[in-house]
Amino acid sequence: DADVTQTPRNRITKTGKRIMLECSQTKGHDRMYWYRQDPGLGLRLIYYSFDVKDINKGEISDGYSVSRQAQAKFSLSLESAIPNQTALYFCATRLTGVGRYEQYFGPGTRLTVT
Amino acid sequence: QQQVKQSPQSLIVQKGGISIINCAYENTAFDYFPWYQQFPGKGPALLIAIRPDVSEKKEGRFTISFNKSAKQFSLHIMDSQPGDSATYFCAASSTATNKLIFGTGTLLAVQP
Repeated sequence: DADVTQTPRNRITKTGKRIMLECSQTKGHDRMYWYRQDPGLGLRLIYYSFDVKDINKGEISDGYSVSRQAQAKFSLSLESAIPNQTALYFCATRLTGVGRYEQYFGPGTRLTVT
Repeated sequence: QQQVKQSPQSLIVQKGGISIINCAYENTAFDYFPWYQQFPGKGPALLIAIRPDVSEKKEGRFTISFNKSAKQFSLHIMDSQPGDSATYFCAASSTATNKLIFGTGTLLAVQP
């Protein structure tokens, strides 16, 4: 079983709709991240959370919100989707600790906003 | 502002050849430089990483070369294989922020 899962894997939605992307992990990691990937732009950080009560904005948080429902669950919401939010979205996790820098990525959600 | 610049955007290499991908950074506070490999339909996965206290790190056919004074680092893939065909991302972060800044990615195709 995958350690980091994302649902849905693919989603097509219309402009103005609210949509939630979900991420769950069984790795026991405390840190969780949401990125979006666009061709030619790499991965850009949307939000990150170091624990359930700690939520931080990344470099492109406008138009997005997040919820850390439990240590293992981190959801990303688009309150009113727009076409330029069409992208691949990745959740990642990491364990806090000296020498522990690796982030583990989920399989991604392909979101299309029409 | 792109803090980590990656080149080339795409690369075609013959089987058995050497693949070289370059990255440059601006923030001298960066102290961790990983390379991630991504296959189609998958999330990125850590390939190899280096800290600035060493100039080179090798793991199998993959080597990171690091030039602190030039603020550049590169990934070398020796004896490239078709199975290495993927997108490669360099990244950088600092202990202070704990946030990874990614390069724009390089699509590598190794031809048999």
